[in-house]
Amino acid sequence: DAGVIQSPRHEVTEMGQEVTLRCKPISGHDYLFWYRQTMMRGLELLIYFNNNVPIDDSGMPEDRFSAKMPNASFSTLKIQPSEPRDSAVYFCASRPLGTKDTGELFFGEGSRLTVL
Amino acid sequence: TQLLEQSPQFLSIQEGENLTVYCNSSSVFSSLQWYRQEPGEGPVLLVTVVTGGEVKKLKRLTFQFGDARKDSSLHITAAQPGDTGLYLCAGVVSGTYKYIFGTGTRLKVLA
Repeated sequence: DAGVIQSPRHEVTEMGQEVTLRCKPISGHDYLFWYRQTMMRGLELLIYFNNNVPIDDSGMPEDRFSAKMPNASFSTLKIQPSEPRDSAVYFCASRPLGTKDTGELFFGEGSRLTVL
Repeated sequence: TQLLEQSPQFLSIQEGENLTVYCNSSSVFSSLQWYRQEPGEGPVLLVTVVTGGEVKKLKRLTFQFGDARKDSSLHITAAQPGDTGLYLCAGVVSGTYKYIFGTGTRLKVLA
């Protein structure tokens, strides 16, 4: 079975440009999470969805960040305009239906973003 | 804000040694998980503990959940180079499906 698929794997852009990261969760999973990982701050939760509806976006850094989940098989995380401090690895994870609060998170391989 | 502090941050040991990694918080979690992450990959689940005081073993790894469900430990016996990686604890905030990750422990086991 295919795991969580993220694209692009690597993105290098210049400050001020728009960046869109994409995620395809595992089929049948009803929760989707976006995390950001840096050496300084570790793995931070940005936002999570349940059945395509955003449940908690309190981790989204500021208005420059937005996330959508138009259907059960696709989500995007957009940064506009991007800044050098946004440089990080962004992970998407999904969680199987019906596993309550012990469910395993399945992570993608991440999107490494560098903003110059 | 729920925070999970892990210690130590970095650990470099010789093959065959034992080690313990700690994960501490002032918050209560409904469950706690441990993940391992290798370079260029996402974290992968090792274990989930749910009940206060619970102990789980996975080969040479022993996981314990604190009685008050605020802390956890990971003990590795006779570490091997294949154990090298970033170890992350993650707590599920009670009443939600919000997974908060710890600060991480980077382990290197030398042959």
